Amino acid sequence: NAGVTQTPKFQVLKTGQSMTLQCAQDMNHNSMYWYRQDPGMGLRLIYYSASEGTTDKGEVPNGYNVSRLNKREFSLRLESAAPSQTSVYFCASSEVKGTYSGNTIYFGEGSWLTVV
Amino acid sequence: GQSLEQPSEVTAVEGAIVQINCTYQTSGFYGLSWYQQHDGGAPTFLSYNALDGLEETGRFSSFLSRSDSYGYLLLQELQMKDSASYFCAVRVDTGGFKTIFGAGTRLFVKA
Repeated sequence: NAGVTQTPKFQVLKTGQSMTLQCAQDMNHNSMYWYRQDPGMGLRLIYYSASEGTTDKGEVPNGYNVSRLNKREFSLRLESAAPSQTSVYFCASSEVKGTYSGNTIYFGEGSWLTVV
Repeated sequence: GQSLEQPSEVTAVEGAIVQINCTYQTSGFYGLSWYQQHDGGAPTFLSYNALDGLEETGRFSSFLSRSDSYGYLLLQELQMKDSASYFCAVRVDTGGFKTIFGAGTRLFVKA
C-alpha cells in the first residue's frame, strides 16, 4: 500500500503562473483534505471533500480550487500563484468509523512550493 | 470560528515526563486528536479522545475534558526520538466533518 501519494514534491513557480498539485490515496477512504503548513502556524485546512462529488471550503480557501476527480484522487489548483502561497502542502485522507472512533488522518509526504 | 491554543515550545530531559496542553474554542465539537511531526516529515496520528477521560497507548496518554474544552498529551519515559512537533486537532461538524489543527508544540528532548 502506498497510502497517500502527492506530486510534485518540489516546485518553484513565478508569480502569476498556475499549477495543479495531484493527490491519490489507495485506502478507499471517503474523506480527503488539502492542508498548508507555514512556520509557526500549524496545518491550515484549505479545502476538504467528505465524499466523491462533494467539496467544501476550509479555513484558507482563497486563491485555490479543488477537484475530487473520483474516490481516489483530489487535486489542488493554484490559478494565479502569489508569493503568499509559498508553503508546504499536505494532502490527506481519512475514513470516519463513528463518532467515538474518530477519524485517523493519513498524510502524504508533502509538496514544497515556492512562488517567486 | 474555531481556535486552539497550545504552547509553542517545551523542553524536557531524556527519561522524564512531559505534558502538552491544548485548549480549544469550537462549535460542533466531536473529539480531540494528537499528531506527531518530525522535521521534514508528514504528521502521524497518535491518539483520539471523544469522551472525557484518559486514553493510554504505550508511553503516550491523552486526556480530554469536554466541559473545560481542554485536553493534554502526556509523554512518559522521554526518548531523544520524541523530539518533534505535536499538534492537537479538533474534529468538528459544521455542516460536514472536518479536522482543524492547532499551531503545534515543539518538544526538545535533552540528554
